[in-house]
Amino acid sequence: DTEVTQTPKHLVMGMTNKKSLKCEQHMGHRAMYWYKQKAKKPPELMFVYSYEKLSINESVPSRFSPECPNSSLLNLHLHALQPEDSALYLCASSQVSRSDRGPENGYTFGSGTRLTVV
Amino acid sequence: QKEVEQNSGPLSVPEGAIASLNCTYSDRGSQSFFWYRQYSGKSPELIMFIYSNGDKEDGRFTAQLNKASQYVSLLIRDSQPSDSATYLCAVVMFSGGYNKLIFGAGTRLAVHP
Repeated sequence: DTEVTQTPKHLVMGMTNKKSLKCEQHMGHRAMYWYKQKAKKPPELMFVYSYEKLSINESVPSRFSPECPNSSLLNLHLHALQPEDSALYLCASSQVSRSDRGPENGYTFGSGTRLTVV
Repeated sequence: QKEVEQNSGPLSVPEGAIASLNCTYSDRGSQSFFWYRQYSGKSPELIMFIYSNGDKEDGRFTAQLNKASQYVSLLIRDSQPSDSATYLCAVVMFSGGYNKLIFGAGTRLAVHP
């Protein structure tokens, strides 16, 4: 299995809703990532998990709450979002690398969740 | 200075021509560089990566890296209309013992018949 699977593919939520995005991989990768991509912009890193522990939080507002319950699964819990949070949310995974060279086989991205906040 | 810089384009080339996409990066210590292609509304897909100075070829694609100049490029030979997409340059940056992949703004390529 060489895929990263994200669900749901599309999500519409109100500003008072609570929802979760899910990401799953079975490649044995122990590093997982959340990116946010707005229209006509590049993906922006939000969180990095390494061995199921949060290692990087790029100053993301607390209305986004990541969780890594096991080595295959990564969630992003959403609460009290704003319309400007509407974006494509991408999950990625890789081997863990502690060198500045990065993971040997690069990063695998999921197909994303298109989130619309109304 | 942005960490990874690309010309946003659009870069317009005729079918069959060579498309040349450029990227500069700010962290002199960066060692790994990736090129992704992204079609509108889709997720990025990896084209190739390069670690060493010089050229790396894969089919119609050639990545070129010059660490002294902090410059990486992607050449697409025999460009096809299906190559029309946004090309994202991404650089691995090392921070606090962990590495992270940082993207440039992307260059939009349009190949016209």
